[in-house]
Amino acid sequence: DAGVIQSPRHEVTEMGQEVTLRCKPISGHDYLFWYRQTMMRGLELLIYFNNNVPIDDSGMPEDRFSAKMPNASFSTLKIQPSEPRDSAVYFCASRGGYNQPQHFGDGTRLSIL
Amino acid sequence: AQTVTQSQPEMSVQEAETVTLSCTYDTSESNYYLFWYKQPPSRQMILVIRQEAYKQQNATENRFSVNFQKAAKSFSLKISDSQLGDTAMYFCAFMKSGGGADGLTFGKGTHLIIQP
Repeated sequence: DAGVIQSPRHEVTEMGQEVTLRCKPISGHDYLFWYRQTMMRGLELLIYFNNNVPIDDSGMPEDRFSAKMPNASFSTLKIQPSEPRDSAVYFCASRGGYNQPQHFGDGTRLSIL
Repeated sequence: AQTVTQSQPEMSVQEAETVTLSCTYDTSESNYYLFWYKQPPSRQMILVIRQEAYKQQNATENRFSVNFQKAAKSFSLKISDSQLGDTAMYFCAFMKSGGGADGLTFGKGTHLIIQP
């Protein structure tokens, strides 16, 4: 049973470039979450979807961040334009329904130079 | 809003010893879930154990058990017979039950080091 799949595993890019992070949730899971992990702020929820619909995006830090879920098996998190302070590990997680535990992908380590 | 506090930034014990990691939380909710996640150097987030607030019985998973004190809003993790592979960051997390705020609120983590 495949877990949550994130790509790329590492991304290094220059300030000002567009960054796209990708996530494939576990098949059958109808909740998808994006988190960011930094040393200063720890793990923070950015946005989550239920049945492909964004439910709560209050954690998205700025308008430079956007997330989409065009279908049940794919989601993207975009940063445009990227800044050095966006450097972090970004996790995607999915969940199979009410009150079930979340399963995390391996994360994308993003470095903005 | 919920808050989760882990007061021990780092702990170190010898292999085979028992260690307890502390977690306290603040919420006005009556129904919720609490979790412990392990993050080894590989960066994966691995679910260790889960507790439902309405269940009085403490959850156990092999060498891992919790001490859940609802009135005190305390949720500690006990690791028995610790192993080198237990070395990792451990995060305590809160999730409100039911719909609405479905994301996890995490503590800042405890770095656990198991010494040979």
